[in-house]
Amino acid sequence: DAGVTQSPTHLIKTRGQQVTLRCSPKSGHDTVSWYQQALGQGPQFIFQYYEEEERQRGNFPDRFSGHQFPNYSSELNVNALLLGDSALYLCASRGDGVVYGYTFGSGTRLTVV
Amino acid sequence: QKEVEQDPGPLSVPEGAIVSLNCTYSNSAFQYFMWYRQYSRKGPELLMYTYSSGNKEDGRFTAQVDKSSKYISLFIRDSQPSDSATYLCAMIYNNAGNMLTFGGGTRLMVKP
Repeated sequence: DAGVTQSPTHLIKTRGQQVTLRCSPKSGHDTVSWYQQALGQGPQFIFQYYEEEERQRGNFPDRFSGHQFPNYSSELNVNALLLGDSALYLCASRGDGVVYGYTFGSGTRLTVV
Repeated sequence: QKEVEQDPGPLSVPEGAIVSLNCTYSNSAFQYFMWYRQYSRKGPELLMYTYSSGNKEDGRFTAQVDKSSKYISLFIRDSQPSDSATYLCAMIYNNAGNMLTFGGGTRLMVKP
């Protein structure tokens, strides 16, 4: 049973560029969340998608946007990249109603130069 | 002040030692308390969860929650080198999205 799959695993972008990260949730999961983890820090919640709608959002600027598709997969888009956006971006999925049952992917390491 | 505080370590112990990892939090609305383990270059992996106050044991791991003190702990007995990782506490308060609020993580090194 495949867990959460994220692509790409690593990415290098130039300041000011735009990036799209992708996530396929674990089979049977319909809720997808995105987290940003800076080096040496805990993950910070960006937003969560359920039924193709953004259900909750953390304290991130509008440069961060997302989408969920009918097959529950999701994308995270970041515009006008800043050096401070360099981080590990984690996708987590769970079944709706299972409050604590998040499964995380291995993340996408984004480096902005 | 962060909602969830965790000593970053690193914490270095000999193999076989009992390890105690702790977090404090400020929001009394938190109801679910989790411990995640994160190996280098990997995503967090759920170790244990507890709802509200109390203790929970799973093999070598024991999680404790004291809501009156806003303090949670994870104990690892008979620690192994394979336990070397970063341990993250995380909490949820019941709302529409049930987002996870993480501590900063404690890096643990178990030496053979």
